[in-house]
Amino acid sequence: AQTVTQSQPEMSVQEAETVTLSCTYDTSESNYYLFWYKQPPSRQMILVIRQEAYKQQNATENRFSVNFQKAAKSFSLKISDSQLGDTAMYFCAFMKQTGANNLFFGTGTRLTVIP
Amino acid sequence: GAVVSQHPSRVICKSGTSVKIECRSLDFQATTMFWYRQFPKQSLMLMATSNEGSKATYEQGVEKDKFLINHASLTLSTLTVTSAHPEDSSFYICSAKLDRIYGYTFGSGTRLTVV
Repeated sequence: AQTVTQSQPEMSVQEAETVTLSCTYDTSESNYYLFWYKQPPSRQMILVIRQEAYKQQNATENRFSVNFQKAAKSFSLKISDSQLGDTAMYFCAFMKQTGANNLFFGTGTRLTVIP
Repeated sequence: GAVVSQHPSRVICKSGTSVKIECRSLDFQATTMFWYRQFPKQSLMLMATSNEGSKATYEQGVEKDKFLINHASLTLSTLTVTSAHPEDSSFYICSAKLDRIYGYTFGSGTRLTVV
């Protein structure tokens, strides 16, 4: 079974500063995908960034980057130059490459960007 | 991009009645649709997976007779909460699988309140 753990229920960051959200996962799969989703107050789930496990290079999307440590089963999200619009719940998610292809979500981290 | 339209966004119903939630893929064909339930300040829990033209697969603990899922076409999947009770009050989100790399697109969610 796959489990995804987010150990930080809540975090805050000053506007324009950098913050890192942590995520660890447990799986026996060797090939899989990892995602970070954002859920703002509107409750709409928005894909922030994704990482293929077979790629060693960390994914980057503008101000968002990940630190993927496959051996440690760690997948943290770094948000640089935080903006007020980044205030949201952030969910780390795992998907197997084969077989059942639903997402397994972590418990989420509520991020507040302080002006 | 791929959009899933979910309706209604909010619904209040009386205990004992049934409520139908619809998810339509607007510009693509959704072979597989996932239905999630989210309690306040909690993560998304997978309820069931529906594939077009076949019976839905329910997660352990989810009552298939209470949560009826129909995926009769490639653009429409519905979740009917039958004989709703206050404990069924929750936020329900559908998600369509795009492909293994791009993951999923989510509906905007339905807040169900049973009074």
